[in-house]
Amino acid sequence: GAVVSQHPSRVICKSGTSVKIECRSLDFQATTMFWYRQFPKKSLMLMATSNEGSKATYEQGVEKDKFLINHASLTLSTLTVTSAHPEDSSFYICSATGLAGGRSYNEQFFGPGTRLTVL
Amino acid sequence: DAKTTQPNSMESNEEEPVHLPCNHSTISGTDYIHWYRQLPSQGPEYVIHGLTSNVNNRMASLAIAEDRKSSTLILHRATLRDAAVYYCILRPSNFGNEKLTFGTGTRLTIIP
Repeated sequence: GAVVSQHPSRVICKSGTSVKIECRSLDFQATTMFWYRQFPKKSLMLMATSNEGSKATYEQGVEKDKFLINHASLTLSTLTVTSAHPEDSSFYICSATGLAGGRSYNEQFFGPGTRLTVL
Repeated sequence: DAKTTQPNSMESNEEEPVHLPCNHSTISGTDYIHWYRQLPSQGPEYVIHGLTSNVNNRMASLAIAEDRKSSTLILHRATLRDAAVYYCILRPSNFGNEKLTFGTGTRLTIIP
């Protein structure tokens, strides 16, 4: 159990366009979702935390108007990179935690990641 | 947040045990010790966590020092599939919605 999917797995876009990445919890209610990004050979950096039905909380230095996060349901969160530029090229990873069978998870479950390349 | 220190890289032979160390000398009394690993080109996956006592699960064992200033993740019989970056993370609570702060981790290479 506790599977998280991401779509798309890879996306290439032109500079100036917007890209939407979806993160879904397949078999549990994701009350909290997190968005990370990871540059090559680097560690994961948390971008924002979102609780279902609430506005996302962004980490310091992350532009909330550039990285739009929506968590409108217990199984879906989306990250939209607006007006993408080459420096936004990165590996974007979501994670989720929440409830299944009345049990609250202690751990986070990560999606497989989305590799964004901005030309 | 309390900081963890891990070796940048380690190597181990296939089918041998692996001991991955983590130092956390500034750990507070309520910090939980979590381990995640990230296989190449994938998102991280949860491995194990503990507070004070040693813990075992199907993936690994976690040995926590008596003073809690260090811990060791033990893979009992490494396979090629265990090649990954292993992250030791301290969390101030055991709630899943507590954020994770990833350090640089230990890159484990398994030698066939």
